Amino acid sequence: DAGVTQSPTHLIKTRGQHVTLRCSPISGHKSVSWYQQVLGQGPQFIFQYYEKEERGRGNFPDRFSARQFPNYSSELNVNALLLGDSALYLCASSERFYEQYFGPGTRLTVT
Amino acid sequence: TQLLEQSPQFLSIQEGENLTVYCNSSSVFSSLQWYRQEPGEGPVLLVTVVTGGEVKKLKRLTFQFGDARKDSSLHITAAQPGDTGLYLCAGAPGNQFYFGTGTSLTVIP
Repeated sequence: DAGVTQSPTHLIKTRGQHVTLRCSPISGHKSVSWYQQVLGQGPQFIFQYYEKEERGRGNFPDRFSARQFPNYSSELNVNALLLGDSALYLCASSERFYEQYFGPGTRLTVT
Repeated sequence: TQLLEQSPQFLSIQEGENLTVYCNSSSVFSSLQWYRQEPGEGPVLLVTVVTGGEVKKLKRLTFQFGDARKDSSLHITAAQPGDTGLYLCAGAPGNQFYFGTGTSLTVIP
């Protein structure tokens, strides 16, 4: 079975630009969560979506938004990029919220 | 202040040694998970512990959930270089999923 897939793998953007990251969950998983991981730290929770509805939101500014599509894939959008947004963005899917399966991540660099 | 504190933060040991990683919180969790992450990759789920006092074994790895469900430990017996990585505990006391501060393990051949 295919695991969680994310695209793109790497991305370089300039301050002030907008970025869209994409995630396809494991087949049968209806929940998708997004995390930001800065080098040397554990992942920080951004959003959880279940059946296309937002179920949880971490402590991130409104520049961060997400949505889930009918096929359960998801997008994470970040507006007005800051240097501090440079990080590994991880997507995870799950049948049960507390057992999450992660994709390889998207490495975002903001210059 | 992190909801889940791990110790130690860094650990460098020789192949064959034993080690224990701790995950502590002041909050009660219905379950805790342990993940291992290698550089440039996403975390990989190792185990879920659910019942207070529960002990689970995964080959040379032993996981324990505290009786009060506020803490957990991971013990590795006879560590091997392939065990090198970032070990993360995680849990969701509510509708947010929290990861611990992480323990970076290096096993030297």
